Amino acid sequence: SQQGEEDPQALSIQEGENATMNCSYKTSINNLQWYRQNSGRGLVHLILIRSNEREKHSGRLRVTLDTSKKSSSLLITASRAADTASYFCATDPGGAGSYQLTFGKGTKLSVIP
Amino acid sequence: DSGVTQTPKHLITATGQRVTLRCSPRSGDLSVYWYQQSLDQGLQFLIQYYNGEERAKGNILERFSAQQFPDLHSELNLSSLELGDSALYFCASSVSHSGNTIYFGEGSWLTVV
Repeated sequence: SQQGEEDPQALSIQEGENATMNCSYKTSINNLQWYRQNSGRGLVHLILIRSNEREKHSGRLRVTLDTSKKSSSLLITASRAADTASYFCATDPGGAGSYQLTFGKGTKLSVIP
Repeated sequence: DSGVTQTPKHLITATGQRVTLRCSPRSGDLSVYWYQQSLDQGLQFLIQYYNGEERAKGNILERFSAQQFPDLHSELNLSSLELGDSALYFCASSVSHSGNTIYFGEGSWLTVV
């Protein structure tokens, strides 16, 4: 079952614009991770944000986490055609010495040159 | 390149057959995870091993089994294959059994005909 739900399901923007993707989840989490997947390829880890963190940056990526609203957002600034991919959020409920990431269905981002 | 190696990259097999997918985790990672990605189910957690022992089980069918060997590589065995088992199977690894970044391999594409 999906814990995280990304919104929108698909997003199309022009190169140079910013892209914002949102993720909502249902239960409390230990951390939340964002991944990128190019068509039919592996998942590339982007950022991990822990439950006690509110914002993290990595290059052109900015992730926020609001645990009170059970939501996270991924902002890609100054998008490039190479950013075209599907983006997934994955939540870790934590605890019990095991680690099961639950993925959403993803946001398909198309950046038009 | 995540450092997680999966073989084979592609395989086509007939219904009723058995296949083995192999995974070498990143150097130093003790945890190995298996995920299945299909169009209808999305990314589903199958199973986690940590230092040779099973840590968590997800939506893994009884026809599927996995193990992690002393050298930390892992194998996922899929038997009595059905058409619906066609999917992209990912192996992932992390340093510890919980809380850290999980790195994914490029996946093994399985087509059951």
